[in-house]
Amino acid sequence: SQQGEEDPQALSIQEGENATMNCSYKTSINNLQWYRQNSGRGLVHLILIRSNEREKHSGRLRVTLDTSKKSSSLLITASRAADTASYFCATERTQGGSEKLVFGKGMKLTVNP
Amino acid sequence: NAGVMQNPRHLVRRRGQEARLRCSPMKGHSHVYWYRQLPEEGLKFMVYLQKENIIDESGMPKERFSAEFPKEGPSILRIQQVVRGDSAAYFCASSPQGWNTGELFFGEGSRLTVL
Repeated sequence: SQQGEEDPQALSIQEGENATMNCSYKTSINNLQWYRQNSGRGLVHLILIRSNEREKHSGRLRVTLDTSKKSSSLLITASRAADTASYFCATERTQGGSEKLVFGKGMKLTVNP
Repeated sequence: NAGVMQNPRHLVRRRGQEARLRCSPMKGHSHVYWYRQLPEEGLKFMVYLQKENIIDESGMPKERFSAEFPKEGPSILRIQQVVRGDSAAYFCASSPQGWNTGELFFGEGSRLTVL
C-alpha cells in the first residue's frame, strides 16, 4: 500500500503566498519527516515531527501532525521563487518486522516570481 | 565536512552489462541506506547496511542486485546484467545511528541509463 500520499500532486503559486501540502498515511508511525528535492538533486531534510508531537516550526516552515486522522501538513509561509522544488513526506514505521523510512510520491511546488 | 558522496553521478550501460554505484557516507556515519527513484516517483527503499552487515534488504530485487558496505571503503550497490527497467536514479543516504533517530543525509544520486 502507498504510504505517505502527498496532496496536491502539484501546486503553483505566486511569490509571497503561502503553500500548504498535505500528507496522509495508513499505518502507525514513529515519526514523520518532510524532505525537499530540487530538480536533478538529492533530498534535503526539512523537518521531523515525532508521533507524540502535534506541531513544529522551523523558520518559514510549519508542520502539523494529526495521528488520529493519520495526516500531516507542511506550510511554507511567504514563499520565494527559490522554494520551487518537489516536497516529500516520509513516514518512519515498522514494516515486515523492521523499521523503515517510507517516502510518498512527492508534490511539485512552483513559486512564480 | 563533506556530505554523502556518490559516484558516478551519471552512468550509461548497455543491456547485460554490470553497474556499480558507490557511496561514501558522511564522516562518523556508520549506517547507509540505498533508495531508487523512478522518474516522477518517490523514493523506494532498497537496502539498509551497517559496516560489514546487511541489516535489511527487503526492498532489493531477489536477482541481479547486491549491496555491501565493507569495513574499509564505500558502500557499493551492484546491478548485474542490467535491463532497461533498471534505469533510475539511485540515492544513498547515511545516518549516525539507525532508524527512529532522526534525519537521513542524502547524496546527489547516481543516474543510471540502460540503453
